[in-house]
Order: sequence, then structure tokens, then C-alpha cells
Amino acid sequence: SQKIEQNSEALNIQEGKTATLTCNYTNYSPAYLQWYRQDPGRGPVFLLLIRENEKEKRKERLKVTFDTTLKQSLFHITASQPADSATYLCALENNNQAGTALIFGKGTTLSVSS
Amino acid sequence: DAMVIQNPRYQVTQFGKPVTLSCSQTLNHNVMYWYQQKSSQAPKLLFHYYDKDFNNEADTPDNFQSRRPNTSFCFLDIRSPGLGDAAMYLCATSRANEQYFGPGTRLTVT
Repeated sequence: SQKIEQNSEALNIQEGKTATLTCNYTNYSPAYLQWYRQDPGRGPVFLLLIRENEKEKRKERLKVTFDTTLKQSLFHITASQPADSATYLCALENNNQAGTALIFGKGTTLSVSS
Repeated sequence: DAMVIQNPRYQVTQFGKPVTLSCSQTLNHNVMYWYQQKSSQAPKLLFHYYDKDFNNEADTPDNFQSRRPNTSFCFLDIRSPGLGDAAMYLCATSRANEQYFGPGTRLTVT
């Protein structure tokens, strides 16, 4: 069955450092992959989408890579700030569904300390 | 601002008492979704509508039903809530690939 794994439940880093989060998937060939941010008690917020033919995508301090051979995406936050503390979810399209249904990973909770 | 609105934000219901959660959108998106999210878990898709076409996930319990009377509104009905149905329920919309989520409704079952 399709499976999405995010490397760790929690990641603690110091302000100013680069945070790197990992998303691995199996039994899957997604056309694209997405990353969302979720704050406690709130709905996820879309951050970035990267397509299978794109190696890298950037948005301000965020960078996402997508390696379809390794079946892995890396999500980087450079010059991290305490305000970046949140849970980050990766999501893949569900190939079995019409429309754009997504399957989400459990997320990695990032804590940035000052 | 265009947005996805969920009401109420917090809902308490009794075991076995039917409850309805509401979602509305001002984005005019054709796809709407309902997810269930339990603590420290991934959002789990329950249903989605592509316009009026209803898509039910295979493992969504029969106890859960949904209605979409028009483009803007979507409802989640839980016919007989059990303690295991306590969760955050998230509504989302999309037109292309990315999804726009509402703030969620936290359901407590007593």
C-alpha cells in the first residue's frame, strides 16, 4: 500500500540555522508533492508544490527538493526563526482518486529556539 | 478576504447524539474535502466532492455522511458519534492542486 514517512516527529534547532525535514514515500509515483505548515489547533497552510520534473523549488527562505529515484523530498528552512516553529506536513496526490485528493504524512514538529 | 470558514470551532456532543459540522467557502473552488485529524496524526481524508460528484474513501465509516447543497457549502454529518470520533475535523477546498484549509472544528464526544 502507499506509504508516506516523515523522518522524525520532532526537530529542535537554534535560530539562524537551517532546518532540513525529510519526506519518504513508497509504492507511489506522484506527479507532484506538496508541503504544508500546521500550527497547533489550526488547519494546514499550503507552502510549496514541486512537480516530478522539477529538482528544486524555492520560495523566500524555503527550498524543496524532489528526488523521484530515491522517492524522497527534502524541505529546507534557511536562517530559521522562532516564528518558523510549527508542524510541517508533506502530501502526495492519491493516484487512486479522481480530482486532487491528497495523502498526508504525519508531519515533523519543528522547534526553533532563540 | 476569500477564505474557508468552519462552524463551530468547538463542538461538544454526547455519545450517540447526531452532530453536523459546517463548512463554507468564498473561494468559488469546485472541489471540497473533509478530513479527520487526531492528535499527532496525519489528516485523514473522509470524503471529497468534485463539483457535485461525491467521492467516499473506502475506509470512511458508514457513520459519517456528507452533503454539498451548493458550491459554497458542505456539511459533515456524524449519525451516532462514538468516543473514537473525537478529533479535529478539517474542511478544505481546491481548484488546482494546492488545498486551502479552514481552521477546523474540534469535536469532543462525552
